[in-house]
Amino acid sequence: DAKTTQPPSMDCAEGRAANLPCNHSTISGNEYVYWYRQIHSQGPQYIIHGLKNNETNEMASLIITEDRKSSTLILPHATLRDTAVYYCIGNSGGYQKVTFGTGTKLQVIP
Amino acid sequence: DTGVSQNPRHKITKRGQNVTFRCDPISEHNRLYWYRQTLGQGPEFLTYFQNEAQLEKSRLLSDRFSAERPKGSFSTLEIQRTEQGDSAMYLCASSIGQGTAEQFFGPGTRLTVL
Repeated sequence: DAKTTQPPSMDCAEGRAANLPCNHSTISGNEYVYWYRQIHSQGPQYIIHGLKNNETNEMASLIITEDRKSSTLILPHATLRDTAVYYCIGNSGGYQKVTFGTGTKLQVIP
Repeated sequence: DTGVSQNPRHKITKRGQNVTFRCDPISEHNRLYWYRQTLGQGPEFLTYFQNEAQLEKSRLLSDRFSAERPKGSFSTLEIQRTEQGDSAMYLCASSIGQGTAEQFFGPGTRLTVL
């Protein structure tokens, strides 16, 4: 898996967009960028993944730079329930031995 | 609820005892994973099954740990002669065996070794 770097913590006001950055400068051409999150005392939850193009689903948007060395996860209207640790992972998919780092702890503030 | 269940949710045991955890994946998922998570850290990969075959084991999985997935359905993780360092959350995940399918995680079993 690619090595990823994320800020340890971020705050976001409720109702505003949360933009979580991730650096993955060593990502290889066949590795996808996955995002998972883990709400306190629960198992991780898949959010989104992408290879080259930007992706959007009902939970979030993923913006990947053209050189694929970094990406941003966007939660368009953060709620208090989005408070969690967010993990950015580079993985080739298929057999996925996911390597989690320490992630970004997002605190959504009322 | 992701559809992956784990039992028990909590286990307290004394050092030296054996413990066994069970994971029931989503029924059509042929891949099953075990992870371990300690406080403040992300989950760490332990082992992976494709159907009933155990295809990879992390070096974290010492000889006191054994995992099985008979008939490619539920899986069990056994820890023999538990040590205080085994105290952690043990997470199970499953996925369908194709493409870039995401993993669905269970709620975990929290083990405390006294």
